[in-house]
Amino acid sequence: DAGVTQSPTHLIKTRGQHVTLRCSPISGHKSVSWYQQVLGQGPQFIFQYYEKEERGRGNFPDRFSARQFPNYSSELNVNALLLGDSALYLCASSWVLDGSQTQYFGPGTRLLVL
Amino acid sequence: GESVGLHLPTLSVQEGDNSIINCAYSNSASDYFIWYKQESGKGPQFIIDIRSNMDKRQGQRVTVLLNKTVKHLSLQIAATQPGDSAVYFCAESAGGTSYGKLTFGQGTILTVHP
Repeated sequence: DAGVTQSPTHLIKTRGQHVTLRCSPISGHKSVSWYQQVLGQGPQFIFQYYEKEERGRGNFPDRFSARQFPNYSSELNVNALLLGDSALYLCASSWVLDGSQTQYFGPGTRLLVL
Repeated sequence: GESVGLHLPTLSVQEGDNSIINCAYSNSASDYFIWYKQESGKGPQFIIDIRSNMDKRQGQRVTVLLNKTVKHLSLQIAATQPGDSAVYFCAESAGGTSYGKLTFGQGTILTVHP
């Protein structure tokens, strides 16, 4: 079975641009979460989506937005990119919306902002 | 529970030794805990989880211990192998209304020498 997939794998942008990152969850999983991982640190929670609705949001500015589609895939959008947005963006999926459900991570999208 | 800093704790062991990786958590409301392994350039990989109604859980070559009194979590790896070399993160979730938000610890770099 395929795990969580993300695209693209790598991306280079310049300050002020916007970016869209994509995630497909494990088949049958209905919840998708997004995390940002800066080099040398643990992942930081950005969003969680379930049944196409935002169910949780971390401490990130409004430049970050996301959505979930009827097939449970998801997009993360970041506007007005800053140098500090350079990071590995991880998507995780779980079966249902439950704090005790295991979240499985994809390989991430590495974003570099110049 | 936020991971901070660029200098991760490190643990260096010989192949065949047992490894113990420790983690302190701060949220007394957390009721679900996960250990992830992250290899260079990859997303976090699920190792083992434990719920707050347990104090020990065993998997294949791994054991997780939970001490809620002192808010401490540990991961024991038996007969450590070079392939176990990676960064290990503990993560906690408060469940319920936290909607599956995982808060990650600082991470520990495990290096296994042949």
